[in-house]
Amino acid sequence: AQSVTQPDIHITVSEGASLELRCNYSYGATPYLFWYVQSPGQGLQLLLKYFSGDTLVQGIKGFEAEFKRSQSSFNLRKPSVHWSDAAEYFCAVGMKTSYDKVIFGPGTSLSVIP
Amino acid sequence: DAMVIQNPRYQVTQFGKPVTLSCSQTLNHNVMYWYQQKSSQAPKLLFHYYDKDFNNEADTPDNFQSRRPNTSFCFLDIRSPGLGDAAMYLCATSSRYANSPPQETQYFGPGTRLLVL
Repeated sequence: AQSVTQPDIHITVSEGASLELRCNYSYGATPYLFWYVQSPGQGLQLLLKYFSGDTLVQGIKGFEAEFKRSQSSFNLRKPSVHWSDAAEYFCAVGMKTSYDKVIFGPGTSLSVIP
Repeated sequence: DAMVIQNPRYQVTQFGKPVTLSCSQTLNHNVMYWYQQKSSQAPKLLFHYYDKDFNNEADTPDNFQSRRPNTSFCFLDIRSPGLGDAAMYLCATSSRYANSPPQETQYFGPGTRLLVL
């Protein structure tokens, strides 16, 4: 069965430090990959997506992610974190066998120390 | 701006009293979704519409129903809410042609937080 794992439940970083959030998926083919961010009490906002092509994807708010097929990973990175980046981050996988369905990972909660 | 709108943002209902949550979109997307998200958990897909075609997830309780009267609107009906149904309910939309991958990623509304007393 398809699944998405985010190994880190909670991460705390200092403002200005770099950030990497991990995401691994289990799927028989190359899926569609997404990262969403959710602030408390809000809906989800798309940060970036990978459908095909260049495996390094640039997103909004200075985020990027790299698809590594050999590792079944799609890790999210940001070189310098801002206090406003504190939120919940969800990695998600869309399947080519069921175009409309997206499976979300359990999420990583990010705290930023001023 | 084109967007996904959910009303109300907060809904309080009584145990067993039917409740309806609404979602509207100005994106003209043909796919609409309802997710349930409990505290500190990932969104869980309840069902979705591709145009008028309804797709129910296998583990969605019968207590949850949905209606999509037109492209712009979609409703989530909870027939007899239980305490376990208290959650954030997220509506999302996307666009896709038949037998093709999504043209758009999913756009989410702000959610409706349901409290069951």
